[in-house]
Amino acid sequence: DTEVTQTPKHLVMGMTNKKSLKCEQHMGHRAMYWYKQKAKKPPELMFVYSYEKLSINESVPSRFSPECPNSSLLNLHLHALQPEDSALYLCASSQDLVTTGELFFGEGSRLTVL
Amino acid sequence: GEDVEQSLFLSVREGDSSVINCTYTDSSSTYLYWYKQEPGAGLQLLTYIFSNMDMKQDQRLTVLLNKKDKHLSLRIADTQTGDSAIYFCAERGNTDKLIFGTGTRLQVFP
Repeated sequence: DTEVTQTPKHLVMGMTNKKSLKCEQHMGHRAMYWYKQKAKKPPELMFVYSYEKLSINESVPSRFSPECPNSSLLNLHLHALQPEDSALYLCASSQDLVTTGELFFGEGSRLTVL
Repeated sequence: GEDVEQSLFLSVREGDSSVINCTYTDSSSTYLYWYKQEPGAGLQLLTYIFSNMDMKQDQRLTVLLNKKDKHLSLRIADTQTGDSAIYFCAERGNTDKLIFGTGTRLQVFP
């Protein structure tokens, strides 16, 4: 299994809603990542987890809250988002931080904030 | 600084070779990568090169690295319509972060 699975594929939410994005991998990878990608732009790193601990937070606003319940799962909790947060949110994993360039990406969750 | 630049667009005829270029500024980059993103999908790692190498070939893909000029290129031989996608180069320096380039949209026409 070389897949990273993200759910939901599409999400529409209002600015007062609370929702979560989920990501799962069963490759035994110990590093997991959240990226944000706006249209026609490269992915921007948001968070990195290494061995289930938060390793990097790229100064992301607190309305985005990551969680790594176990080595296979990564969540991104969303609360009080703004319309400019609409984007494709990509989850990725790598064997560990040493192989941080060899990322396996999910297909993304496309978020629209109304 | 960590800026990775690519030309925005490349159009080639099916069967021709494509060359996608990338320039980077971080001279401490240890590995450089090429990723492919098809419409509505995540990114897929195509190949990578270690900074002490000049060239790497993998089937239809050839990566060239000019470390002096901080220039990386990806050549796709016998380009097919299925190669149409956005291609991102990426560099990794001394941190645990991957810096992506601006992306090149490759369009292949019959």
